[in-house]
Amino acid sequence: GENVEQHPSTLSVQEGDSAVIKCTYSDSASNYFPWYKQELGKGPQLIIDIRSNVGEKKDQRIAVTLNKTAKHFSLHITETQPEDSAVYFCAASNDFGNEKLTFGTGTRLTIIP
Amino acid sequence: DAGVIQSPRHEVTEMGQEVTLRCKPISGHDYLFWYRQTMMRGLELLIYFNNNVPIDDSGMPEDRFSAKMPNASFSTLKIQPSEPRDSAVYFCASSLRELRYIQYFGAGTRLSVL
Repeated sequence: GENVEQHPSTLSVQEGDSAVIKCTYSDSASNYFPWYKQELGKGPQLIIDIRSNVGEKKDQRIAVTLNKTAKHFSLHITETQPEDSAVYFCAASNDFGNEKLTFGTGTRLTIIP
Repeated sequence: DAGVIQSPRHEVTEMGQEVTLRCKPISGHDYLFWYRQTMMRGLELLIYFNNNVPIDDSGMPEDRFSAKMPNASFSTLKIQPSEPRDSAVYFCASSLRELRYIQYFGAGTRLSVL
């Protein structure tokens, strides 16, 4: 089955700086890669996703990149703000008849004011 | 829509007791997922349903765990008997068939088994 590794487990950055979280996956058939944000006391929420036919996707301060050859994908947050503090999860899925997401272990991001 | 609703938000019980967690998915959603979150293992998929039918329960840790979905608007996850190692946050999520990879999570139930 799919295995997703995520690094780092914790990350602290100064407000206004950029944050990068990296994930690798094992199943070359995986073709859908979402990122979820979990705030304290809440469930994870989808913030951005990318499919394997795209190398990069942006949404305001958030971007995700995908390297299919190396089987890794990354989340980039620019101009970080205090409300970006949360736990971020990457995930992978193969959408050929498979509804399951395999999640990474999470990254706790702390923005230092 | 109110989103995915889970109850209770917190549950404290003693080892050996039966625990029932409840979930109301978003109306109209076809898929329902149960996850367990721990520091050691992260987010683990326990079981998921499609149109009320269990599709994959390979993540259910052992026979003490069972899940049902009697109708499209309600699901339960039961642990009987509970053990301290079951202490975790349990999440329910739902999704539409057309966008099944976009899962909407509830706020979770924090379970503590003493």
